[in-house]
Amino acid sequence: EPEVTQTPSHQVTQMGQEVILRCVPISNHLYFYWYRQILGQKVEFLVSFYNNEISEKSEIFDDQFSVERPDGSNFTLKIRSTKLEDSAMYFCASGRQGATEAFFGQGTRLTVV
Amino acid sequence: SQQGEEDPQALSIQEGENATMNCSYKTSINNLQWYRQNSGRGLVHLILIRSNEREKHSGRLRVTLDTSKKSSSLLITASRAADTASYFCATDRGGSYIPTFGRGTSLIVHP
Repeated sequence: EPEVTQTPSHQVTQMGQEVILRCVPISNHLYFYWYRQILGQKVEFLVSFYNNEISEKSEIFDDQFSVERPDGSNFTLKIRSTKLEDSAMYFCASGRQGATEAFFGQGTRLTVV
Repeated sequence: SQQGEEDPQALSIQEGENATMNCSYKTSINNLQWYRQNSGRGLVHLILIRSNEREKHSGRLRVTLDTSKKSSSLLITASRAADTASYFCATDRGGSYIPTFGRGTSLIVHP
């Protein structure tokens, strides 16, 4: 069964460093999402991506964040200068079209030290 | 403001019992989804119910939707210890297709 894959599963980075989180969505999906979950808290929407551009973003998704779909398969989230409060699980998700199921990857645990 | 909120926050039952979790939301929706998350893991999609549907089944899962009350329920019948997880509802917001999550219900099923 197709699935969303994320790499790495765990990343530790120094405060102020740039990180890139990688995702391979399900191949025939057209909508892509990033969410984050700070430990013990709710899953928060960051950004959605459709037709090679951001379709929606939350207030969390500030200038420190960017997304790219550099080729036909990968979908990346970049955090330019990480802060301690960026420590969280980051989930990538994809969907065939709007208003359908969103399928999630296993997440990348980002730890900023 | 939070779109979907689950209730109760925590639920502890014995294996074999049924577990019912509720979700309330504020604005009109296109659909509502239920997800499961094992501790420290990803979100597993369980079921999607559209705004024009009232009930849906999948194995031991039964989901209902009452758009007049802006609420949904997830029933897990004949629970198993392996059902222990957090359960989230996710709603879009009518004009947006973005799934927005509640805080979840933590379910513990004792063997």
